[in-house]
Amino acid sequence: GAVVSQHPSRVICKSGTSVKIECRSLDFQATTMFWYRQFPKKSLMLMATSNEGSKATYEQGVEKDKFLINHASLTLSTLTVTSAHPEDSSFYICSASTGPRREAFFGQGTRLTVV
Amino acid sequence: GQQLNQSPQSMFIQEGEDVSMNCTSSSIFNTWLWYKQDPGEGPVLLIALYKAGELTSNGRLTAQFGITRKDSFLNISASIPSDVGIYFCAGRQGAQKLVFGQGTRLTINP
Repeated sequence: GAVVSQHPSRVICKSGTSVKIECRSLDFQATTMFWYRQFPKKSLMLMATSNEGSKATYEQGVEKDKFLINHASLTLSTLTVTSAHPEDSSFYICSASTGPRREAFFGQGTRLTVV
Repeated sequence: GQQLNQSPQSMFIQEGEDVSMNCTSSSIFNTWLWYKQDPGEGPVLLIALYKAGELTSNGRLTAQFGITRKDSFLNISASIPSDVGIYFCAGRQGAQKLVFGQGTRLTINP
């Protein structure tokens, strides 16, 4: 299957700082990338959908000014958690797809801890 | 919003037993995907289904896309310790976003 690389796998940051998470499709071009948040023992919650070269589409209740998404190329999308607070601590996962009707492949996830 | 009902929520089985889990929806889906997630990792795609009635195997795993397009099941035969994890179904209507089930947590006693 296709490979999606997410970095970093773990990050600890202080309250008020910003953290950037990268998601790369290594062996295919991803026209669409998705960002999820997962709470312990829960399913994946979609935060936003990003299409290369256009603004991301955020799900209801997700603050677009807090979770900045950039999808500048067909192989890279970034999620920046701005002015992080302890309640932003979570497991963030990206996925990439070759098209809107195709399979979605997931990155390894990023464990964010805000102290 | 759309929801998938995945069952069972958890399973405790003996090594070597077969496993069956399923997902149902009140909506029709055009795509069904099954994923496995290990602790601290992202989900890994197991099987993708695109046609109603489609039955697809991947080693000891078999999944089917229900005829009504509102359900799908995943079977695991002769379970082994590395099958432990959380299994998620996901459905999609056309080009819409994926909708995930709540997950089935599989525990295997040796």
